[in-house]
Amino acid sequence: DPKIIQKPKYLVAVTGSEKILICEQYLGHNAMYWYRQSAKKPLEFMFSYSYQKLMDNQTASSRFQPQSSKKNHLDLQITALKPDDSATYFCASSQPGQGDERLFFGHGTKLSVL
Amino acid sequence: GDSVTQTKGPVTLSEGTSLTVNCSYETKQYPTLFWYVQYPGEGPQLLFKVPKANEKGSNRGFEATYDKGTTSFHLQKASVQESDSAVYYCVLGQGKLIFGQGTKLSIKP
Repeated sequence: DPKIIQKPKYLVAVTGSEKILICEQYLGHNAMYWYRQSAKKPLEFMFSYSYQKLMDNQTASSRFQPQSSKKNHLDLQITALKPDDSATYFCASSQPGQGDERLFFGHGTKLSVL
Repeated sequence: GDSVTQTKGPVTLSEGTSLTVNCSYETKQYPTLFWYVQYPGEGPQLLFKVPKANEKGSNRGFEATYDKGTTSFHLQKASVQESDSAVYYCVLGQGKLIFGQGTKLSIKP
């Protein structure tokens, strides 16, 4: 069973609209992340959260807003969508400080903006 | 800023041949280095962590040694299998990971 659930798997949106990408992890981790993978760029770090608090933000645009309603949730709201936002968005989690620095990734949400 | 540069793909090999994927990094901090692998339709998953300088990390026949002098940690495997077909990433960092551009490996039976 997947331990990190991302919904939906595929998402099609029109330019200018707003979408929310869902992420839930059942690994008991305290840190969660969003990464983006597009055709033109390698996997890019976007945000990191620890204990539901924003730790690092490498996304220049305020159109991308993470939302953490529960410890094991980190959703990503994207507003005023643009075709350049088309990418696969990966949620990840980890348990820092336990001697295991690996990140566990979900299967991704593939977003297409028309 | 921190960066990693790896062999550009795609790479196609015959089963049973050897693999080397080159990777070098730049950072001002003590590096934490990994190799991740990504299969179609999935997120990346850890292949292994590369430990301290001049020590070898390994998993499933893949290995890499971190060379502090050349700031590199090349991925190697002596004999590839068809099931090794995937995209391989060299990665730097903790939490906030810096990924290389990925090397797509295809193995012909």
